[in-house]
Amino acid sequence: GQNIDQPTEMTATEGAIVQINCTYQTSGFNGLFWYQQHAGEAPTFLSYNVLDGLEEKGRFSSFLSRSKGYSYLLLKELQMKDSASYLCAVRGDDYKLSFGAGTTVTVRA
Amino acid sequence: ETGVTQSPTHLIKTRGQQVTLRCSSQSGHNTVSWYQQALGQGPQFIFQYYREEENGRGNFPPRFSGLQFPNYSSELNVNALELDDSALYLCASSLAGFTDTQYFGPGTRLTVL
Repeated sequence: GQNIDQPTEMTATEGAIVQINCTYQTSGFNGLFWYQQHAGEAPTFLSYNVLDGLEEKGRFSSFLSRSKGYSYLLLKELQMKDSASYLCAVRGDDYKLSFGAGTTVTVRA
Repeated sequence: ETGVTQSPTHLIKTRGQQVTLRCSSQSGHNTVSWYQQALGQGPQFIFQYYREEENGRGNFPPRFSGLQFPNYSSELNVNALELDDSALYLCASSLAGFTDTQYFGPGTRLTVL
């Protein structure tokens, strides 16, 4: 089976940096995705990693280490609108997406 | 470019009833995946349709079934509704099967009483 772990909640101050960790144990690996989901809304695609290393996209960066089964999403210069749930999803050897339960990030003024 | 759309937005049913949820894929996408998201959980994969054929299925009973039409829109049907079926049902479309990034619709909130 697929096991994807991420913290349940994180709180940070506006303008700060937050790092959301994700560890996974899956049957095979064909990529890791991060999605942002505001309450009651659809998940929106943030990033995709398939090779080790850091992918940077504006204020958001995502890192992957396949040997460690580990990824993180880094949110810089936090804004109030970044308050949301962040979902880590892994594509296994059957190419299906398995999601973690999500990390709720609360940004305080 | 039109994004993924779903209907209805909200739905209330009673135990034992049947429900049909609808999804229109993003322009140019031929693959639709359906997910169930319980409150406080991540989405759970139900099944995927690629060019009108079921292309993979998660751990859901046969009372969850689907269709994909020639225009690549899709339906999710759930028979004999149970209380635990109450969830947000998400549809995601992608360019080609499982290998491409999936883009989600706004979801249908189903409540079973």
